[in-house]
Amino acid sequence: TQLLEQSPQFLSIQEGENLTVYCNSSSVFSSLQWYRQEPGEGPVLLVTVVTGGEVKKLKRLTFQFGDARKDSSLHITAAQPGDTGLYLCAGRDDKIIFGKGTRLHILP
Amino acid sequence: ETGVTQTPRHLVMGMTNKKSLKCEQHLGHNAMYWYKQSAKKPLELMFVYSLEERVENNSVPSRFSPECPNSSHLFLHLHTLQPEDSALYLCASSLLAGVGEQYFGPGTRLTVT
Repeated sequence: TQLLEQSPQFLSIQEGENLTVYCNSSSVFSSLQWYRQEPGEGPVLLVTVVTGGEVKKLKRLTFQFGDARKDSSLHITAAQPGDTGLYLCAGRDDKIIFGKGTRLHILP
Repeated sequence: ETGVTQTPRHLVMGMTNKKSLKCEQHLGHNAMYWYKQSAKKPLELMFVYSLEERVENNSVPSRFSPECPNSSHLFLHLHTLQPEDSALYLCASSLLAGVGEQYFGPGTRLTVT
C-alpha cells in the first residue's frame, strides 16, 4: 500500500519566520502535487513537480522534489498570516494518493 | 457561478435517511471525482467519472451511490449511513481523468447521527 507521510502534523510559528514541511514515501511517483486548503474550502493546487531534483518557486514558497521522486519539501520564507492553512501533498502514479497534511498556523 | 460548486454545504442526517449531495462544475471539464476527508485520515478518493462513465470505484460501501448524468453534474446518493461516515465530502473536476490539475469544490460537511 502506498503511503505519504507528512511532517510535522501541526506547526505554529511567528510571522516573519521561515519553515519547512515534508512529504515522504517509500514509493516512487511520476509526479507530486502540493495543495493548500483553508477552513470551509476545498484544496487549491499550488504546484506540480515532475522531475527528480526539480525545484519550483512560487513567490515565498519553494518546492523541491527528491532526486528519487519519493519525497518532497515545501519551504516558506518570511511566513505571513495568509499562509495559514492545511498543506497537503499528493503523489501521482496510476492513482493519486494524499498525505494527511500539515496544519500551519502563522501568528501575527 | 464559476468553478466547482457543491450543495448543500452542511447536512445532518439520521442513519435511516436518504439524501443526495450535488456537485456542479462550470469549467468544461470531462472528469469528476468524489473524495472523503475525515479528521484523522488522508483524503480518500471514492469515485472517478470520465465523460459520464464511472472509471474508478475504490472499494466504497454500497450505501454510497454516485450518479453522473452529464459531464457538468455529479451526485452522491446516501442511504442508511453510519456515524463513521461523518466527514467532509469533496467534489473535484479536471480536464481529463487522472491528468493535470484537479479543481475542488468547497465540500459538504456531513454529520450522521
